Amino acid sequence: GESVGLHLPTLSVQEGDNSIINCAYSNSASDYFIWYKQESGKGPQFIIDIRSNMDKRQGQRVTVLLNKTVKHLSLQIAATQPGDSAVYFCAETGGGTSYGKLTFGQGTILTVHP
Amino acid sequence: EPEVTQTPSHQVTQMGQEVILRCVPISNHLYFYWYRQILGQKVEFLVSFYNNEISEKSEIFDDQFSVERPDGSNFTLKIRSTKLEDSAMYFCASSQEDSGANVLTFGAGSRLTVL
Repeated sequence: GESVGLHLPTLSVQEGDNSIINCAYSNSASDYFIWYKQESGKGPQFIIDIRSNMDKRQGQRVTVLLNKTVKHLSLQIAATQPGDSAVYFCAETGGGTSYGKLTFGQGTILTVHP
Repeated sequence: EPEVTQTPSHQVTQMGQEVILRCVPISNHLYFYWYRQILGQKVEFLVSFYNNEISEKSEIFDDQFSVERPDGSNFTLKIRSTKLEDSAMYFCASSQEDSGANVLTFGAGSRLTVL
């Protein structure tokens, strides 16, 4: 079946560096993508989303890039802080299914060293 | 900031027992969901609920599972005759709408351990 996956399971960076977390998706019908952050003992927390009619969206310190040609999604975190250490999941939805039915990727563990 | 509340935070049960996981969604939300995450694995969709009925469910959500909104505030997941492989973190989520602008708010989760 179609799925969403991540290229890198772990990422270690120094505080202040920029981080890039990648995600590949295979369902070309998906039209809405979300990045979630999950800290230990907590549920997924919304970071930023993007629709398929966009290729870039910026938030506070975060940017999501969508390349539909190669079905690739990335999350860029500027000036990474120790508080950014968490597991990051991409998720896809839409394309004929309920928008609340998210298909999550495996997750990338981001560790930020002071 | 409004949040989704889940109880219990951790439940230990014997195989074959029934468990009920409870959730209080955000008050003005209309769509409710259950997801689960087996340790070390990805978060998986179980079921969505709207207007007092299931709107969509995954293959995981078989006859062992049921959901209910018993009153105006609670949303429950019942697991009958639990199995070892039901051990997981169960997340409740809610949203205001089901559109491209949908943003699910997740609870902190209920950890279920089946012995």
